[in-house]
Amino acid sequence: QVQLVESGGGAVQPGKSLRLSCVVSGFDIGIYGMHWVRQAPGKGLEWVAVLWYDGRSKYYGESVKGRFTISRDESKNTSYLEMKNVRPEDTGVYYCARDQDGDYLDYWGQGTPVTVSS
Amino acid sequence: SYVLTQPPSVSVAPGQTARMTCRGNKIESKSVHWYQQRPGQAPVLVVFDDGDRPSVIPDRFAGSNSGNTATLTISRVEVGDEADYYCEVWDATTDQVVFGGGTKLTVL
Repeated sequence: QVQLVESGGGAVQPGKSLRLSCVVSGFDIGIYGMHWVRQAPGKGLEWVAVLWYDGRSKYYGESVKGRFTISRDESKNTSYLEMKNVRPEDTGVYYCARDQDGDYLDYWGQGTPVTVSS
Repeated sequence: SYVLTQPPSVSVAPGQTARMTCRGNKIESKSVHWYQQRPGQAPVLVVFDDGDRPSVIPDRFAGSNSGNTATLTISRVEVGDEADYYCEVWDATTDQVVFGGGTKLTVL
């Protein structure tokens, strides 16, 4: 069955970097787009980034443009979110999710928490 | 950028019908998707492409989209339906996913 498992979250100081991973099983990451979505404590969902199935087209939310990078390793069936120059407002739970037909997010991981604080 | 507006909360008694709206400019021209998020859990897709349901979602969940408003309707509401519900669209103008602010469904 389809599974997505995030890891790499934790506590980090402002201005530092962090890399999140999302290991998937039950499908080939090379033929699906993958999204990252975050949720600040007590807040709603905020879309972060997508890497389309072609592995080349990448798009980002305004608040992370220029600081975050989405990528994938097909050999490891893993999606990554590289977070640089993090800010306190980047604090939250980060979810990876599979894209279906460039249309909706049909499977989600359980999330990994990130806390940015000095 | 495209904005989706949802009411913060909706309350309904068990067995009744809950309707949650999602407003956006000419939203009928977009495909709207809905996600359920129970406390402490990851979001789950409940309706996609305005009104289709994943096979695991009961037919009590239905969606519609017309004009400037999309609606998620839950019939015969159960206590287990209590959750936050988010609408979502793809904004092709900015190449970004847009989520509504979410509606908290309370089952009285």
